[in-house]
Amino acid sequence: DAGITQSPRYKITETGRQVTLMCHQTWSHSYMFWYRQDLGHGLRLIYYSAAADITDKGEVPDGYVVSRSKTENFPLTLESATRSQTSVYFCASNRGGTGAPGVYGYTFGSGTRLTVV
Amino acid sequence: GQQLNQSPQSMFIQEGEDVSMNCTSSSIFNTWLWYKQDPGEGPVLLIALYKAGELTSNGRLTAQFGITRKDSFLNISASIPSDVGIYFCAGLLVKTSYDKVIFGPGTSLSVIP
Repeated sequence: DAGITQSPRYKITETGRQVTLMCHQTWSHSYMFWYRQDLGHGLRLIYYSAAADITDKGEVPDGYVVSRSKTENFPLTLESATRSQTSVYFCASNRGGTGAPGVYGYTFGSGTRLTVV
Repeated sequence: GQQLNQSPQSMFIQEGEDVSMNCTSSSIFNTWLWYKQDPGEGPVLLIALYKAGELTSNGRLTAQFGITRKDSFLNISASIPSDVGIYFCAGLLVKTSYDKVIFGPGTSLSVIP
């Protein structure tokens, strides 16, 4: 099916463990993003990618690693999970182009709810 | 850093009532976006605004780009149960700055049948 899919939907992990959240989109959109959503903070950008092999930090990148070897995939890895990384994580994509964040907005996945115990 | 404030934080209304919410900032933005998030899902774009004073509608939803460029408003007319969710505003200073999209904390809307 076309769209943007995230996996897993729910994950519980222990402090110090490495965990990877997956994101896959079928539109060949240039731009992909990882946001975290916490009560009272809205959505905060972790990392984004303008194309395969091009990534850049967002507002809250510490403790996270991303890669984008293929246009359609943008995994997010927590190298050593901490309780403060308990959150709902959203992947999003945007096809890019002039004025694109405003003109087209972002298409978001359904989210991964991560709990670090 | 830049911040957006949304009010009210939450609201409970009767089905059929009109809803008003707003988004304010101390910073000037060139674009305002409004998203809706259904429970357990990601946000979905509702309306995009590009000019100060602009008024744009999408069905029962109407949004306005404030004259000062520091605020935006969203109105929902004749609310229905499926309007339940969290409404986010987002501001952009520069249209092509993907890392400069600022999201507000959201307004949670509950509709009582």
